[in-house]
Amino acid sequence: AQSVTQPDIHITVSEGASLELRCNYSYGATPYLFWYVQSPGQGLQLLLKYFSGDTLVQGIKGFEAEFKRSQSSFNLRKPSVHWSDAAEYFCAVGRGGYQKVTFGIGTKLQVIP
Amino acid sequence: GAVVSQHPSWVICKSGTSVKIECRSLDFQATTMFWYRQFPKQSLMLMATSNEGSKATYEQGVEKDKFLINHASLTLSTLTVTSAHPEDSSFYICSAPREGGETQYFGPGTRLLVL
Repeated sequence: AQSVTQPDIHITVSEGASLELRCNYSYGATPYLFWYVQSPGQGLQLLLKYFSGDTLVQGIKGFEAEFKRSQSSFNLRKPSVHWSDAAEYFCAVGRGGYQKVTFGIGTKLQVIP
Repeated sequence: GAVVSQHPSWVICKSGTSVKIECRSLDFQATTMFWYRQFPKQSLMLMATSNEGSKATYEQGVEKDKFLINHASLTLSTLTVTSAHPEDSSFYICSAPREGGETQYFGPGTRLLVL
């Protein structure tokens, strides 16, 4: 069965500081990996995705993520955080092809001035 | 980009009534849609997979007679919470895959409060 672990439930960073959100997955084959962001009371917005190819993927809003097969990880990074990045971030894994996606528990990001 | 809408965005109802939530794909056809629920401070849990022209597939533990799903067309799926109770209060989100099925696009969600 597929699963996703986000070990950090809550992270606080200063505006302008770098950010890394951790994500580990369990999957029997090459996974389809996603990062979504959810603002309070809102739906989910896709930040980036990895299916194959270059293991460093670029997303929207200056985010990037690196797929490391050996570590079963897909960590999300941003070099300089903005106050508007405060939200909840979900890592997800799926099989593609109209199959279901499994989400991690989410990491809530707080940005302080 | 792909857009998925949900209606209503907010609904408050009395215990025992039924509530219908619509999920529409606005600029693409979706033969499959997914329904999730999210409790406060928790992740999204898949409830069911809605398939156009056939019965929905429910996840283990989800009561299909309580959460009725109808995929009426290639752009519309509805979730009806029948005889709603306070414990059904939650945030319900739908999604639809596009671009060959690899990426799911999510609706803005519907917040249900059952009094």
